[in-house]
Amino acid sequence: EAGVAQSPRYKIIEKRQSVAFWCNPISGHATLYWYQQILGQGPKLLIQFQNNGVVDDSQLPKDRFSAERLKGVDSTLKIQPAKLEDSAVYLCASSFKGLIETQYFGPGTRLLVL
Amino acid sequence: RKEVEQDPGPFNVPEGATVAFNCTYSNSASQSFFWYRQDCRKEPKLLMSVYSSGNEDGRFTAQLNRASQYISLLIRDSKLSDSATYLCVVNNYGQNFVFGPGTRLSVLP
Repeated sequence: EAGVAQSPRYKIIEKRQSVAFWCNPISGHATLYWYQQILGQGPKLLIQFQNNGVVDDSQLPKDRFSAERLKGVDSTLKIQPAKLEDSAVYLCASSFKGLIETQYFGPGTRLLVL
Repeated sequence: RKEVEQDPGPFNVPEGATVAFNCTYSNSASQSFFWYRQDCRKEPKLLMSVYSSGNEDGRFTAQLNRASQYISLLIRDSKLSDSATYLCVVNNYGQNFVFGPGTRLSVLP
C-alpha cells in the first residue's frame, strides 16, 4: 500500500514570498491533516479535512495560510506571504475514519524562510 | 496549562536499561491516546495505542490513568535503535489530535 506522498521535500524562500505544498493521502482515507512542526516541538495541527470539508482550522493563521482539498483526495497548503517564523516542517497525515483513529504521516516538507 | 505535557528530556540511558516516560493531559473528555515515535528528521510513526486496561507490545508497555490524566510508556531492555523522540498524542473522538512536545531518548552503548 502506498503511503502519504508530499512534495516538495525541501523549499527555501525569502520572506514575503509565496510557497505551496502538495499532499496525496493514502487511498480511501477520508480525513486529511496538515501539521506544522517547529524544531524541538511536537506537530501542531493547522487544518483538518473530512473529505473536502474543513473540520477544524482554528489554529490556521488565515491571514497568510490557506488550504484546500477540492475533490476530497489530494490537498494543497499555501503560505502567502511567508515570514521567518514559518520555517518548519509541514507534515501531511491521513486517517481512515473509525473507532480508533490512527494517522499515517507523509515525509514532510522542510521549509526555510530567509 | 498546555493541553498535553511531556518532559522533553533528553533521557540518556545505557543499553539494556529500563526507561519510563510520562505524559499528562488537561482535557478530561479525551478518549483516545497514542504513543508515536519520531526519528531525527523523519515523520512520526505510530508506536502503540494506549488502552484503559494497559497494553504491551514486546518490550513496550503503555498505561493509562484516567483519574490522574496521565499516560505512561515503559521501555524494557533498551536497544540503541530505540533512540528517538517519543510523542504523546491525545484525541477526543471525532476531534483533532493534540501532540505533546515529545521526550527525547538516547540509548548509549
